[in-house]
Amino acid sequence: QVQLQESGPGLVEPSETLSLTCNVSGGSISSYYWSWIRQPPGKGLEWIGYIHYSGSTKYNPALKSRLTLSVDTPKNQFSLHLSSVTAADTAVYYCAKKVGFGEPLEYWGRGTLVTVSS
Amino acid sequence: EIVLTQSPGTLSLSPGERATLSCRASQSISNSYVGWYQQKPGQAPRLLIYGASNRATGIPDRFSVSGSGTDFTLTISRLEPEDFAVYYCHQFDSSLETFGQGTKVEIK
Repeated sequence: QVQLQESGPGLVEPSETLSLTCNVSGGSISSYYWSWIRQPPGKGLEWIGYIHYSGSTKYNPALKSRLTLSVDTPKNQFSLHLSSVTAADTAVYYCAKKVGFGEPLEYWGRGTLVTVSS
Repeated sequence: EIVLTQSPGTLSLSPGERATLSCRASQSISNSYVGWYQQKPGQAPRLLIYGASNRATGIPDRFSVSGSGTDFTLTISRLEPEDFAVYYCHQFDSSLETFGQGTKVEIK
């Protein structure tokens, strides 16, 4: 069974770039779609976007100007970079797997809390 | 953007009772592209059921879904102690995926 694990700094300063990596184990990153979702403390879920193993992407328009998703197939991992962060970007960030376009988020990582603060 | 509105915000029920959770979409979507997730405190969401009635691995048959167009329902036939949690609906019909704001099912 595939497992996903997010990693990255837990604290980012305002105006800096938030960078996270999701390591995929128990299966290949190839042939699937890989998503990011976030959840501000005490609030609901927000879809960030996804990347196909081929490199094609879909982004939430609200974040598109600041967001870059990338995939590293040899390392079996994918990454998120969100620039010019503010306190509003403080959240638990989850990575997740979609079997295909038009499919639900089948497997999730445990999530990692990122706090934006000086 | 397709907005999903879940109701009620909180559902207070006793174990053994039936839970009915609603998810209303701002425009019509195919029920094939609606999923439901369960989230417990401190945990990641877990996929429960999606589409017409496709349960994820290990999900018991007390969880079922119905609906079409703009109105979708998750039903838990008889609440077990482990079912008290927050539930989110999710649409992946459009290229911009969205979630509902969640329904908390709490012990009465």
